[in-house]
Amino acid sequence: EAGVVQSPRYKIIEKKQPVAFWCNPISGHNTLYWYRQNLGQGPELLIRYENEEAVDDSQLPKDRFSAERLKGVDSTLKIQPAELGDSAVYLCASSLDRASLNTEAFFGQGTRLTVV
Amino acid sequence: SQQGEEDPQALSIQEGENATMNCSYKTSINNLQWYRQNSGRGLVHLILIRSNEREKHSGRLRVTLDTSKKSSSLLITASRAADTASYFCATDPMYSGGGADGLTFGKGTHLIIQP
Repeated sequence: EAGVVQSPRYKIIEKKQPVAFWCNPISGHNTLYWYRQNLGQGPELLIRYENEEAVDDSQLPKDRFSAERLKGVDSTLKIQPAELGDSAVYLCASSLDRASLNTEAFFGQGTRLTVV
Repeated sequence: SQQGEEDPQALSIQEGENATMNCSYKTSINNLQWYRQNSGRGLVHLILIRSNEREKHSGRLRVTLDTSKKSSSLLITASRAADTASYFCATDPMYSGGGADGLTFGKGTHLIIQP
C-alpha cells in the first residue's frame, strides 16, 4: 500500500514568487494535515481537514497561505507571495478518522522549500 | 504553537544503554503519541497511549502517561546505533471549541547512540 505522497521533494524559489505543494494521502484516510517544520524544531500544524472541510486553520497565515482539498482526497498548499521566512519543510500527514480517537498519523517525506 | 515540550533537548548515550525521554503538555488530551524522525526524512509513528492508559509496551519501547502531571516518558531499552534520530511527542487534544485542536507536536529530543 502506498504511503502519503508529496511533491515536489525540493523547491527553490525567489522571494515574492508563488509556490504550491501537493499531497496525496493514504486511501481511505479522512483526516489530512499540513505541517511546517523549521530546522531543529517540531512540526507546527498549519491546517487540518476532515474530508473536504477545513476544521482547524487557526495557525494558517491567511494573508499569504491557502489550501484546498477538493473531493476530500488530494490537497494542495499554496504560498503567494513567498517570503524568506517561509523556508522550511512542509509536511503532509493523514489519519483514518479523528472521531474514532485512533489518530495515528502517517507522514509524507515532505517538501523542502528554500526561498532566496 | 507547540503544546508538548520534550526533555532533554539532546541525549547522547552508548550503544546498549537505555534512553529515556520526557514530554510535558498543557491541555487535556485524548491520547499522546511518540514519533521518530531520521535526518532529512518524514516522521514515523512509534506508539500511541490513550488518556485512560498508564503504560504501554511495544518491542524495546515503553511509554508511560501521567495525566495528573500532564507528562509522558519514552524509554528505549538496549539502544542501537539505528535508534539515532529525533523523537517527538504529539498530543491529540480534547476538543476545545476553539483554537488548534489537531495533533500537536513538541520540539523533540535529539538522540545520539554512540557505537
